[in-house]
Amino acid sequence: NAGVTQTPKFQVLKTGQSMTLQCAQDMNHEYMSWYRQDPGMGLRLIHYSVGAGITDQGEVPNGYNVSRSTTEDFPLRLLSAAPSQTSVYFCASSPRTGPYEQYFGPGTRLTVT
Amino acid sequence: GENVEQHPSTLSVQEGDSAVIKCTYSDSASNYFPWYKQELGKGPQLIIDIRSNVGEKKDQRIAVTLNKTAKHFSLHITETQPEDSAVYFCAAVGGGGGNKLTFGTGTQLKVEL
Repeated sequence: NAGVTQTPKFQVLKTGQSMTLQCAQDMNHEYMSWYRQDPGMGLRLIHYSVGAGITDQGEVPNGYNVSRSTTEDFPLRLLSAAPSQTSVYFCASSPRTGPYEQYFGPGTRLTVT
Repeated sequence: GENVEQHPSTLSVQEGDSAVIKCTYSDSASNYFPWYKQELGKGPQLIIDIRSNVGEKKDQRIAVTLNKTAKHFSLHITETQPEDSAVYFCAAVGGGGGNKLTFGTGTQLKVEL
């Protein structure tokens, strides 16, 4: 198993541009989630999904959209990038029905200028 | 929502000594408390977790204790080694559906030779 994969590893955007961060898992996990990590603030939940077709907001959802059309994929879309969205983004998945025993991807470092 | 506080933010120990990291949580309905280790440039990795019906759990050199009355839990690492150097995060799954994981702000552990 490849586990949780994320692409790209690095990305630079200009303010106002849009992009999609990709996340995929090959473990048939139902629960998937997106976090952002900023210095001194730990990881904060952006959006999560408990299964295909079901998504919900986390702690910091503004400026981000998600969809879950398949069990394997959970892309995160930045609609109009802002400098405040400069961060490291992690995707995670869980073999349980909630955020238990989560496996994290390697992350995407995003810079918005 | 849930609030998790973590202390200390940095911890330096000599190789072979023990290290203790402490966290408090706010939601008395929280029922799951994982600890993650994050090495530089990588995603967090689950190292141990505990559920609210258990007071202590051990796995070789690491242990976690939970005090539900006081709403705090701690990570104990014994016989520390240089490879234990990393950032450690505590987290909690709160009530209200149990689908959201809230992280502490992290502890940078340095094990010195």
